[in-house]
Amino acid sequence: GENVEQHPSTLSVQEGDSAVIKCTYSDSASNYFPWYKQELGKRPQLIIDIRSNVGEKKDQRIAVTLNKTAKHFSLHITETQPEDSAVYFCAATRIKAAGNKLTFGGGTRVLVKP
Amino acid sequence: DGGITQSPKYLFRKEGQNVTLSCEQNLNHDAMYWYRQDPGQGLRLIYYSQIVNDFQKGDIAEGYSVSREKKESFPLTVTSAQKNPTAFYLCASSTGTATYEQYFGPGTRLTVT
Repeated sequence: GENVEQHPSTLSVQEGDSAVIKCTYSDSASNYFPWYKQELGKRPQLIIDIRSNVGEKKDQRIAVTLNKTAKHFSLHITETQPEDSAVYFCAATRIKAAGNKLTFGGGTRVLVKP
Repeated sequence: DGGITQSPKYLFRKEGQNVTLSCEQNLNHDAMYWYRQDPGQGLRLIYYSQIVNDFQKGDIAEGYSVSREKKESFPLTVTSAQKNPTAFYLCASSTGTATYEQYFGPGTRLTVT
């Protein structure tokens, strides 16, 4: 089955700096890679996703890059703000018609210091 | 804040007792999922269901059981066979078409002593 490794497990950045979280996956058939953000005491929410036919995707201050050859993908947050403090999870799956079995990484706790 | 709900928010049980966690969604989603979240281990899939009256084991199904009698409901039973049941349990649902986003419920924190 799929295995997803996520690094680092914790990340502390100064407000305004960039944050980068990296994930590797094992199953070359995986073709969908979402990122979820979980604020303290709240439910995880999708912030961005990428499919294997795209190398990069941006949404305002966040971006995700995918290297299919190396089987790794990364989340980039620019101009970090205190509200970016949360736990971020990457995931991978092979898309089916319905019911996609996501395999999640272990999570990265991001702390943005004002 | 409708969509997908879980109850109760906190649940306490004695060791050896079975307990059922509720998950309901009004999003008309076909697929539903149960995850377990432990500190530092991310989200691990327990069971998932793609359609009513059908479900599949996830990565850590031992000691758990589910049912999917209605599209809106996907209850999870934590049985006495689960060796370490204390955890935060998250339910999710998705349409599986057009978008693959999984929508999560607020979670149930189960403590077994």
